[in-house]
Amino acid sequence: EAGVAQSPRYKIIEKRQSVAFWCNPISGHATLYWYQQILGQGPKLLIQFQNNGVVDDSQLPKDRFSAERLKGVDSTLKIQPAKLEDSAVYLCASSLVAGAVNTIYFGEGSWLTVV
Amino acid sequence: ILNVEQSPQSLHVQEGDSTNFTCSFPSSNFYALHWYRWETAKSPEALFVMTLNGDEKKKGRISATLNTKEGYSYLYIKGSQPEDSATYLCAFMEYGNKLVFGAGTILRVKS
Repeated sequence: EAGVAQSPRYKIIEKRQSVAFWCNPISGHATLYWYQQILGQGPKLLIQFQNNGVVDDSQLPKDRFSAERLKGVDSTLKIQPAKLEDSAVYLCASSLVAGAVNTIYFGEGSWLTVV
Repeated sequence: ILNVEQSPQSLHVQEGDSTNFTCSFPSSNFYALHWYRWETAKSPEALFVMTLNGDEKKKGRISATLNTKEGYSYLYIKGSQPEDSATYLCAFMEYGNKLVFGAGTILRVKS
């Protein structure tokens, strides 16, 4: 079974530039998550989709971050303009449905450095 | 704001040593506790999802226990091997809410 695919793996940009990350979840998984993991901290949920609808985006900095999940499959996360504090690993994850006992499967992450 | 604490922050052990880490979480509104292993440059891998007080789960040399009344979970690794070197994350879920992760415990096993 193919896992969660993410690209690019690594990205270095200057502050005020924009960047986009792509995620392809496991086939058949209705729920898709984007997490941000800053060095020394645990992953923090940015946005959660159920099919192509947003379930939770309460911690997404909407002035600079946006995400979409067209057709309920692939998703993109965009940052524009980037700030130094956005340097982090951006993890995409998916699960069959949202719920505590469902295993959440993660991608390898997109490592962003903003200089 | 939910607070999930993991200790220790990091741990260096010799090959063959047994080790354990702690995850502390709020004891109210508990729904589930997840454990993940995250090796560098790989994706976090789910180890256990625990829902019942007193739950004990085992996967090879790794096991976990859960105490929801006092709000903690222990992860044990018996006979650590270099390939166990990773960051171990726990994540707490309140009923009907999202996962909140701890900052993780970094384990380094020397051969």
